[in-house]
Amino acid sequence: QSALTQPRSVSGSPGQSVTISCTGTSSDVGAYNYVSWFQHHPGTAPKLMIYDVNKRPSGVPDRFSGSKSGNTASLTISGLQAEDEADYFCCSFAGNYYVFGTGTEVTVL
Amino acid sequence: QLQLQESGPGLVKPSETLSLTCTVSGGSISSADFYWGWIRQSPGKGLEWIGNIYYSGSTYYNPSLKSRVTISVDTSKNQFSLKLSSVSAADTAVYYCARLRMAYYFDCWGQGTPVTVSS
Repeated sequence: QSALTQPRSVSGSPGQSVTISCTGTSSDVGAYNYVSWFQHHPGTAPKLMIYDVNKRPSGVPDRFSGSKSGNTASLTISGLQAEDEADYFCCSFAGNYYVFGTGTEVTVL
Repeated sequence: QLQLQESGPGLVKPSETLSLTCTVSGGSISSADFYWGWIRQSPGKGLEWIGNIYYSGSTYYNPSLKSRVTISVDTSKNQFSLKLSSVSAADTAVYYCARLRMAYYFDCWGQGTPVTVSS
């Protein structure tokens, strides 16, 4: 099983929108609607931002949204804020197996 | 509020066994809705799922690590543990424990514990 592919970094100014892609295969992202996204500040516990492709846990701002098309899932942060600067990674269920993304660093300019 | 905390040695010698424990607080490890898992993050390989366990003791392992991994649960202590045998430098990583909801997504993580394999 190979890691899901994410861009190494994305950036945007406050108020702008950024989208992070997460590309897998027909065995993971393409096969199941069980893609999740996490926000991670190194040294702390990763925080669940999106699950089941497009659902937000309680307490996560609606600026964060998820979608999927074929073998690629996406996380969009609308109205970017300084506090959104962090690492983000995706995860997909793959049938009794879990595969993670390579991680994306989001920089707020 | 659920919290998970990893603990164990930060340095392990090559060929020896890595042992870590995850202590769960603010919730019961015996809840029927959750599995409990281990994930690691290394500079070379990124995030890698190691395996999951249910409170009953049922386990699911990453095939690439299966021959070296044992995950166990102690419901009386609200803990679950990881053992990884015959370690090498490639096993140097930050190890995370996490709760797996409905078997599909990890909804709560520990902050991770770094483990270095070196003589």
